Amino acid sequence: DAEITQSPRHKITETGRQVTLACHQTWNHNNMFWYRQDLGHGLRLIHYSYGVQDTNKGEVSDGYSVSRSNTEDLPLTLESAASSQTSVYFCASSPGLAGVNEQFFGPGTRLTVL
Amino acid sequence: AQSVTQLDSHVSVSEGTPVLLRCNYSSSYSPSLFWYVQHPNKGLQLLLKYTSAATLVKGINGFEAEFKKSETSFHLTKPSAHMSDAAEYFCVVEYGNKLVFGAGTILRVKS
Repeated sequence: DAEITQSPRHKITETGRQVTLACHQTWNHNNMFWYRQDLGHGLRLIHYSYGVQDTNKGEVSDGYSVSRSNTEDLPLTLESAASSQTSVYFCASSPGLAGVNEQFFGPGTRLTVL
Repeated sequence: AQSVTQLDSHVSVSEGTPVLLRCNYSSSYSPSLFWYVQHPNKGLQLLLKYTSAATLVKGINGFEAEFKKSETSFHLTKPSAHMSDAAEYFCVVEYGNKLVFGAGTILRVKS
């Protein structure tokens, strides 16, 4: 079955370190998204991509970067981790067809920055 | 700009009684709206979506929502709560292939 996976599921790191969170989908979806979830804020969009070599900033992009070298993967990099980036991170994908597209979510990565 | 307000951060019901989770949205045009559910330590699952067809939308697990343009509301209901409905629910508005999430409502179901 097609799916979307994230790794690692849990990560503890130190302030100032570079961290990369992986997201991989097997639906061949054009659109991919990264969100962070914090208490009282719902999910907030970090970065998104509408296809290979396309990346865009979301609502809370400072301190994060993404790259899209193929359809299946959109890794999220924290260049220099900060305690404020302690959160649960969700990756999502959608087909990118005309009309309204449901997004499919991965299981999440819980990141702790000490 | 599009925004979503979930009017209750927590809702508590008894098993077998109706559920009402309230959502108001702000959009500069007729939006597409979703409800997602998140069970503890899980990802998000789509419950239902409104895409300008019927204003009453039926979803999975007996949930439904009614789009009311005059009230800019998209409340989620279920006639009879089950223990397995305990979760966090997110009302979401879509624009340009991007989603804007409400802050979430935690539903507690008492036995």
